[in-house]
Amino acid sequence: GAGVSQSPRYKVAKRGQDVALRCDPISGHVSLFWYQQALGQGPEFLTYFQNEAQLDKSGLPSDRFFAERPEGSVSTLKIQRTQQEDSAVYLCASSLGGTGGHEQFFGPGTRLTVL
Amino acid sequence: DAKTTQPNSMESNEEEPVHLPCNHSTISGTDYIHWYRQLPSQGPEYVIHGLTSNVNNRMASLAIAEDRKSSTLILHRATLRDAAVYYCILRDVTGANSKLTFGKGITLSVRP
Repeated sequence: GAGVSQSPRYKVAKRGQDVALRCDPISGHVSLFWYQQALGQGPEFLTYFQNEAQLDKSGLPSDRFFAERPEGSVSTLKIQRTQQEDSAVYLCASSLGGTGGHEQFFGPGTRLTVL
Repeated sequence: DAKTTQPNSMESNEEEPVHLPCNHSTISGTDYIHWYRQLPSQGPEYVIHGLTSNVNNRMASLAIAEDRKSSTLILHRATLRDAAVYYCILRDVTGANSKLTFGKGITLSVRP
């Protein structure tokens, strides 16, 4: 079956623009995670969904970042009024369950460049 | 999640075994040891995980110290495709949110 897909793969935005990044998880996966990866660093957690419920958004860096998963499958990460420091790769991952024993499957990421 | 410590980088020759160390001296009894790797321009991928006993799968082996304060990921025959950043991560098996806390990982280079 298909893995996790993300779109677009690359996004260039002018400072101040709003962007929306999409994640299609593996069908049937309950949990969905968003991570942000700056150049040369490991990914950092942003937010976590279990089905449609956003259970943890402690990693979102500011109120300009918003994520949703309204029907418990596809998720969108929205960044309002983008800033240069938002430039990073945004990774989505899904897993069958939410507990620590389940493997997370990652998408290829969306590389966001803010000019 | 408890913290892990890994060397910054390691080099290996193709077709030789590679041992990637990880220290996790503050590991708790409910922490699993997970390894993920990230190839260039790709998202991370799961490699292996274990709790107390050594584990083997088609990709690698995981050797866990008896006191669980350290572990070693073993690639039995390195290939050029194994060149990647390898992350050692502790995850609480009881936690309702099993987010991954990545460090900087260890960058493995493989010489042909």
